[in-house]
Amino acid sequence: GAVVSQHPSWVICKSGTSVKIECRSLDFQATTMFWYRQFPKQSLMLMATSNEGSKATYEQGVEKDKFLINHASLTLSTLTVTSAHPEDSSFYICSGQSNTEAFFGQGTRLTVV
Amino acid sequence: DAKTTQPPSMDCAEGRAANLPCNHSTISGNEYVYWYRQIHSQGPQYIIHGLKNNETNEMASLIITEDRKSSTLILPHATLRDTAVYYCIVSPLSYNQGGKLIFGQGTELSVKP
Repeated sequence: GAVVSQHPSWVICKSGTSVKIECRSLDFQATTMFWYRQFPKQSLMLMATSNEGSKATYEQGVEKDKFLINHASLTLSTLTVTSAHPEDSSFYICSGQSNTEAFFGQGTRLTVV
Repeated sequence: DAKTTQPPSMDCAEGRAANLPCNHSTISGNEYVYWYRQIHSQGPQYIIHGLKNNETNEMASLIITEDRKSSTLILPHATLRDTAVYYCIVSPLSYNQGGKLIFGQGTELSVKP
């Protein structure tokens, strides 16, 4: 069945470096991809929405130059956290959406030290 | 902001039915009611969705009031593995209509032996 495969499941990086998170849609084409962030004991917060082949739309308060989103094909979207800092440590989740349904990745636990 | 209101937490005895309420008094005519759940440190899992009729699948039943201002998710025979945070979300079915899945705080369901 349709799933979204998200990698890596966890990553530890040094402050100031960049980290890339990949999400691949399997057995379906994700016309739209959503990226969320979740801090401990909190709900998912939508960061940005991207459509294949176009620029992402960022939610208010989310820095587009810090969180680079690429959605170059209907099966692959990436989120790059640039110049990561400890406050960027969080659980990042992607969601691939066809016309009628949304499928979530398993999330990436990012820890910046 | 999320358009739904849910109790922050609920307990349920194993084997009994779990009834999770959700208020969505400002729901629009083209918006569906979606239910997802999130087990700790995983991506959200789709449960069920509906427009105005009651729906049932292998996981749960969804009861929507006639005025569509509230709904109830029913897990008929809760097990310990159903312990999770349950999210009720309203959104247009098609994301081409601008639909996004905006998560509220959800209900933390604890199933106890």
